[in-house]
Amino acid sequence: AQTVTQSQPEMSVQEAETVTLSCTYDTSESDYYLFWYKQPPSRQMILVIRQEAYKQQNATENRFSVNFQKAAKSFSLKISDSQLGDAAMYFCACSNNAGNMLTFGGGTRLMVKP
Amino acid sequence: NAGVTQTPKFQVLKTGQSMTLQCAQDMNHNSMYWYRQDPGMGLRLIYYSASEGTTDKGEVPNGYNVSRLNKREFSLRLESAAPSQTSVYFCASSEPLDPYNQPQHFGDGTRLSIL
Repeated sequence: AQTVTQSQPEMSVQEAETVTLSCTYDTSESDYYLFWYKQPPSRQMILVIRQEAYKQQNATENRFSVNFQKAAKSFSLKISDSQLGDAAMYFCACSNNAGNMLTFGGGTRLMVKP
Repeated sequence: NAGVTQTPKFQVLKTGQSMTLQCAQDMNHNSMYWYRQDPGMGLRLIYYSASEGTTDKGEVPNGYNVSRLNKREFSLRLESAAPSQTSVYFCASSEPLDPYNQPQHFGDGTRLSIL
């Protein structure tokens, strides 16, 4: 069984500033995958960034990067140079090794102030 | 390139009515999934189909049935709708042998209200 916890229901950031969204997880899998999804008001689920648990190097995708702390079971998302279009719900998710069980956290609503 | 297509996008039902939500994907993925998303919460897995001809329960299967009609299509049926099933329903697909490079791709969701 897997659990994913996002402890920040809402976060706010000034445009062009940096914000970090927190996520902790628990899993009994020896190998697994971690993801951050963005859900704008349109309801689409958009993949932001992914991380393989066996890779020590933190993933980066343009302005998005993660801080993966495997021992602490922590997977935070850092958004640099925040833009108005980054405003959305962000969900952290953990997948088992087979990729057929994806468990989501409760989400963090990110507001970006102009 | 349509990806994952869900129909309908919105539906209102009365308690006790039945309804089938349709999902089709054109990415030749083996695995398909149904999730529900309640207000202020993350997605929870209802059922999934690892491959054509197989289905398995997820976290919240009670009150639902599924059919993997073929490799492209995976439907979700509510036999007797209840107000507790008011939610947004998402279908997703993936190639499970490569969950890192091909994570789950989601449809746009169906907003279902049960009065």
